[in-house]
Amino acid sequence: EDKVVQSPLSLVVHEGDTVTLNCSYEVTNFRSLLWYKQEKKAPTFLFMLTSSGIEKKSGRLSSILDKKELFSILNITATQTGDSAIYLCAVSNTGKLIFGQGTTLQVKP
Amino acid sequence: EAEVAQSPRYKITEKSQAVAFWCDPISGHATLYWYRQILGQGPELLVQFQDESVVDDSQLPKDRFSAERLKGVDSTLKIQPAELGDSAMYLCASSPDIGVGYTFGSGTRLTVV
Repeated sequence: EDKVVQSPLSLVVHEGDTVTLNCSYEVTNFRSLLWYKQEKKAPTFLFMLTSSGIEKKSGRLSSILDKKELFSILNITATQTGDSAIYLCAVSNTGKLIFGQGTTLQVKP
Repeated sequence: EAEVAQSPRYKITEKSQAVAFWCDPISGHATLYWYRQILGQGPELLVQFQDESVVDDSQLPKDRFSAERLKGVDSTLKIQPAELGDSAMYLCASSPDIGVGYTFGSGTRLTVV
């Protein structure tokens, strides 16, 4: 059965800390891995990764994929209170997205 | 910027009643998805359409849920009768083709009382 597992399930940090969120997967017909941020509404897209070892960056966020070990990490540096959200990892195969259970990040002032 | 439109944003219904949600995808997007997200969990696919055809409804509880996309554009998801366990966020997403460029709508938050 296809599955995506995220860890930790929840995380509390203080502003300025760096966090690393993990996503491992076992999915047939892997096409891509996506990261989303969700703040009380629909998920908003962060990154799509298809190739191993190529880091994608957007401001303080970065992500990388390891297709050999079947995992990805999402890094957030210099966290801010506005980073508080649920971070979802999803793997695309034959068209649908298979989501992990999400990591809830709380950034305290 | 093009958006996926969903309505209503919130719905409260009594158990055993019927409820329906509507989704209008981004113009030209052939693929439409309905996901259900229970509080504290990641979204789970209920049904996937390619144009007007169902591609995957393996996780749709067909005894009470139905979905249609008659003209291959907008879509309706219906629950009849609603149960307490159906309380969740129902998300619609669309993409130009299978596997690429997903965009999510704002979702419908359903509470069954």
